[in-house]
Amino acid sequence: EGLMSESGGALVQPGGSLRLSCAVSGFTFTSYAMSWVRQAPGKGLEWLAGISGGISGTFYADSAKGRFTIARDNSKNTLYLQMNSLRAEDAAIYYCAKDSGGSAIRGAFDIWGHGTRVTVAS
Amino acid sequence: DIQMTQSPFSLSASVGDRVTITCQASQDIRHSVNWYQQKPGKAPNLLISDASNLAAGVPSRFSGSGSGTGFTFTISSLQPEDFATYYCQQCDRLPVTFGGGTKVE
Repeated sequence: EGLMSESGGALVQPGGSLRLSCAVSGFTFTSYAMSWVRQAPGKGLEWLAGISGGISGTFYADSAKGRFTIARDNSKNTLYLQMNSLRAEDAAIYYCAKDSGGSAIRGAFDIWGHGTRVTVAS
Repeated sequence: DIQMTQSPFSLSASVGDRVTITCQASQDIRHSVNWYQQKPGKAPNLLISDASNLAAGVPSRFSGSGSGTGFTFTISSLQPEDFATYYCQQCDRLPVTFGGGTKVE
């Protein structure tokens, strides 16, 4: 069974940038699509972005388009989320999630990290 | 984007009760619905995929059904460890979207 561990969450000022990382072990990273999902305090789950395995095609929710970039380094078994122009409403716990369906972004997430907290405040 | 309308927002139940949660999709999504359980301070856990397929290691008291636009999630006999928030999610089309959640308390 795989393990995933996020890092990089922090307190950042509005307009600032942050890069989240998700280190993966226990499964063949390149064979699976990966996603980032966030959860604002006391709120529900919001899918932000996904990246396929192999050719690393990407797809974004409207809330992430233009400000967030998902990427993966298959040599390091690591997933990233670069977040720019952060706003107060971006404050949330950010989870990385493994897609159970293989290398295509499908959206059934069978393994999740523990999450990393992002706070946006001045 | 496909909207997932989940109900109820919360429900009160006792150990041994049968619990049912519904999810309505804004358009036909075939069988592409997953259900997750989330406990406070923890990441979500996949319980059911493709509307009715139990994930590995998930007890058989959990079940799901439905297709098209209407889906149901059932706990046949609520156990103490099942008090949590449950989310439906559609994965028929990107972006993936979640229902608002149901808190079972």
